[in-house]
Amino acid sequence: QVHLQESGPGLVKPSETLSLTCDVSGGSISGFYWSWIRQPPGKELEWVGYVYYTGSTNYSPSLRSRLAMSLDTAKKQVSLKLRSVTAADSAIYYCARLGGVLDPFDSWGQGTLVTVSS
Amino acid sequence: SYVLTQPPSVSVAPGQTARITCMGSNIGSESVHWYQRKSGQAPIVVVYGDSDQPSGIPDRFSGSKSGNTATLTISRVEAGDAADYFCQVWESTSDRPWVFGGGTKLTVL
Repeated sequence: QVHLQESGPGLVKPSETLSLTCDVSGGSISGFYWSWIRQPPGKELEWVGYVYYTGSTNYSPSLRSRLAMSLDTAKKQVSLKLRSVTAADSAIYYCARLGGVLDPFDSWGQGTLVTVSS
Repeated sequence: SYVLTQPPSVSVAPGQTARITCMGSNIGSESVHWYQRKSGQAPIVVVYGDSDQPSGIPDRFSGSKSGNTATLTISRVEAGDAADYFCQVWESTSDRPWVFGGGTKLTVL
């Protein structure tokens, strides 16, 4: 059974870069879309983007100019970097696995809360 | 952008049936997935592809669709079913194609 675990700072200052890591255990990186999904307080879940196991990426248009995702196959880690953050980027960030675009996100991490504040 | 609408909350007594709806203008032609998220835990899939159940999910959980509405039905509700439930689709015409409903909090009375 694959297990996903997000990690990163819980507090980021405005205008700085948010960096998160997702550790994948119990399963392979290959063949999957590794996605980030976030939920701001009081709002709905929002798809942020994915990095495919080949390294190709697809980002939400509203975040594309600030976002970078990558994966380290050897370490089985998926990374997210979001530049120039504002309070609107405060959210619970989830890492999730997707087999195909019509498939469900079949494995999720517990999520990590990120607050943007000075 | 595409919107999926869920009721914020549903309450039901133990042993009764809970129905959670998800409305979307194009949902009839989309594959709907449902997730359960308990407090502090990772979300899990309880129904996928409108009405299929992942292995390990009790058959008390079922999904259906009619017109613009998808429904998650939980039969013989137990205290342990208390959670947030989300619907999700892939909407090919949206600029953010993976779309989630706002979530429904199920309270077991």
